[in-house]
Amino acid sequence: GAGVSQTPSNKVTEKGKYVELRCDPISGHTALYWYRQSLGQGPEFLIYFQGTGAADDSGLPNDRFFAVRPEGSVSTLKIQRTERGDSAVYLCASSRRGETQYFGPGTRLLVL
Amino acid sequence: DAKTTQPNSMESNEEEPVHLPCNHSTISGTDYIHWYRQLPSQGPEYVIHGLTSNVNNRMASLAIAEDRKSSTLILHRATLRDAAVYYCILRDGGAYNFNKFYFGSGTKLNVKP
Repeated sequence: GAGVSQTPSNKVTEKGKYVELRCDPISGHTALYWYRQSLGQGPEFLIYFQGTGAADDSGLPNDRFFAVRPEGSVSTLKIQRTERGDSAVYLCASSRRGETQYFGPGTRLLVL
Repeated sequence: DAKTTQPNSMESNEEEPVHLPCNHSTISGTDYIHWYRQLPSQGPEYVIHGLTSNVNNRMASLAIAEDRKSSTLILHRATLRDAAVYYCILRDGGAYNFNKFYFGSGTKLNVKP
């Protein structure tokens, strides 16, 4: 079956611009997670949704970062006024029962 | 979140077994031990998980110490495709506890032909 998909696969933007990253979870998965991975590091948790609501957003680094999941399926991670330090791979994962998270391939964001 | 400690890197020869250790001395009674791996330029993928008893699946085996303060992921015959970063993660609670994962830095496994 189809796995988690993320678009775009790569995104290059300029400092100060706004970007949106999209995640399509596995159908029927109620939980959706966003992680950020810097070069040479393990993924770091950003936010997770249970259905449409953000159940835990404790990992969002500041108020420039925001995520939505309006219909309980697709999610969008939004970054305002991007900074060079935001450059990383942004990973999305989904889960049906909470035991196993299935990850997408990630979006590679480069802020120039 | 309870933390795990893993060696930064390990090396193995192809076709030989690999034992990847993980220390989790502050593990609580409700923490499950999960292993994920991340191949180059891909997202992490599930390998195996367990609570108290040793576990086997088609990818690997998980050996859990009796006091649960450490565990070992065993790849029975390493292949070049097993070269990846392996993460040992503790997850609190049961199947319906949708907790985030704390990944740490993992162990980078290099497999030599």
